[in-house]
Amino acid sequence: TQLLEQSPQFLSIQEGENLTVYCNSSSVFSSLQWYRQEPGEGPVLLVTVVTGGEVKKLKRLTFQFGDARKDSSLHITAAQPGDTGLYLCAGGGRTGAGSYQLTFGKGTKLSVIP
Amino acid sequence: DAGITQSPRHKVTETGTPVTLRCHQTENHRYMYWYRQDPGHGLRLIHYSYGVKDTDKGEVSDGYSVSRSKTEDFLLTLESATSSQTSVYFCAISLGQFRSSYNSPLHFGNGTRLTVT
Repeated sequence: TQLLEQSPQFLSIQEGENLTVYCNSSSVFSSLQWYRQEPGEGPVLLVTVVTGGEVKKLKRLTFQFGDARKDSSLHITAAQPGDTGLYLCAGGGRTGAGSYQLTFGKGTKLSVIP
Repeated sequence: DAGITQSPRHKVTETGTPVTLRCHQTENHRYMYWYRQDPGHGLRLIHYSYGVKDTDKGEVSDGYSVSRSKTEDFLLTLESATSSQTSVYFCAISLGQFRSSYNSPLHFGNGTRLTVT
């Protein structure tokens, strides 16, 4: 069974601080996606990475896909209150049931305090 | 922008009653999905569809059925609701940016909060 472990589960930081969120697995994924979800809304795609070692930047957010395509990280520089939300990673590949689907991690809940 | 409408947004129902949730998309995306989101479990796939009348099970399909009679509508039915089905249900469509659907990013609706008493 493909599992994506996200850490930390909860993170509370002051505005202006930097942070890194991790998404790890023992399985290889053909792609890795990151989403942000706000209360009462559905997840919204931030980025998709597909190549081992790939780094993508979205303003103050930096996403990296591990060389072996088993892990990923999200780094936020100078966090803002607007970054508050639930961050989800999702990996594309073969599940334990034999089908090919996206597998989601349980998420990291980020609170940025003004 | 792909539009997804889920209805109802909130529902309270009693144990043993059937419940149908609706997902409507405004574009002709082929792949549609139903997920449930629960604390401690994250998002789990219930069922998905890869075309009209073409559906398949996800990892938590027991107690649920789906139907897709039109491209734009994907219905999720709880045949006999139980308290364990209290959850937030999300519909999603695949944006189809990659040849393989499981690598393509998803666009989610805003969810239906279902409470089974």
